[in-house]
Amino acid sequence: AQSVTQLDSQVPVFEEAPVELRCNYSSSVSVYLFWYVQYPNQGLQLLLKYLSGSTLVESINGFEAEFNKSQTSFHLRKPSVHISDTAEYYCPESDLHYNQGGKLIFGQGTELSVKP
Amino acid sequence: KAGVTQTPRYLIKTRGQQVTLSCSPISGHRSVSWYQQTPGQGLQFLFEYFSETQRNKGNFPGRFSGRQFSNSRSEMNVSTLELGDSALYLCASSFSGAFTDTQYFGPGTRLTVL
Repeated sequence: AQSVTQLDSQVPVFEEAPVELRCNYSSSVSVYLFWYVQYPNQGLQLLLKYLSGSTLVESINGFEAEFNKSQTSFHLRKPSVHISDTAEYYCPESDLHYNQGGKLIFGQGTELSVKP
Repeated sequence: KAGVTQTPRYLIKTRGQQVTLSCSPISGHRSVSWYQQTPGQGLQFLFEYFSETQRNKGNFPGRFSGRQFSNSRSEMNVSTLELGDSALYLCASSFSGAFTDTQYFGPGTRLTVL
């Protein structure tokens, strides 16, 4: 069965420092990967996604993620974080076992805490 | 374009009661998926509806059910509530539910079972 592993449950970092949130997936065939952010008491917002093509994908707010097939990873990076980046981050993948989709498989999430 | 809306935002129920949650997808989206989010289990898939048909179902007991209307709005129902049903229930809509579709999430309904 497909699974997603987010390797760090909590990542504390100081403001303006770089950060990497690590995510590994288990699929050995086609993968469709996403990064979402969840702020307190809110739903999930899409940061970026990888469907095919360039292995480096970027978001409009400075995050980027690199798809690495050999290491089955899709780590999220930001060169300089802000206090406002404090949130929970998820990297689900589409479940390919269902014929029609509509299901995302989630890891446990990573809590990013940015300190002044 | 208006986002995904969920009502109500907060609910408090007692054990044994039943509850109905509502989700209005983004205009033009025909797929609606439901997820349960708890601190212990994280985000777990409940079911997905497309054109009023349930296509996929997660590993939840039959007390959890749902439906979708012709305007793509969806409801989920939980009968005979248990304490463990306390959670944030999120719905997400997408254009067709395809593997490559982005799912857009609503703010969730926080259900507390006493």
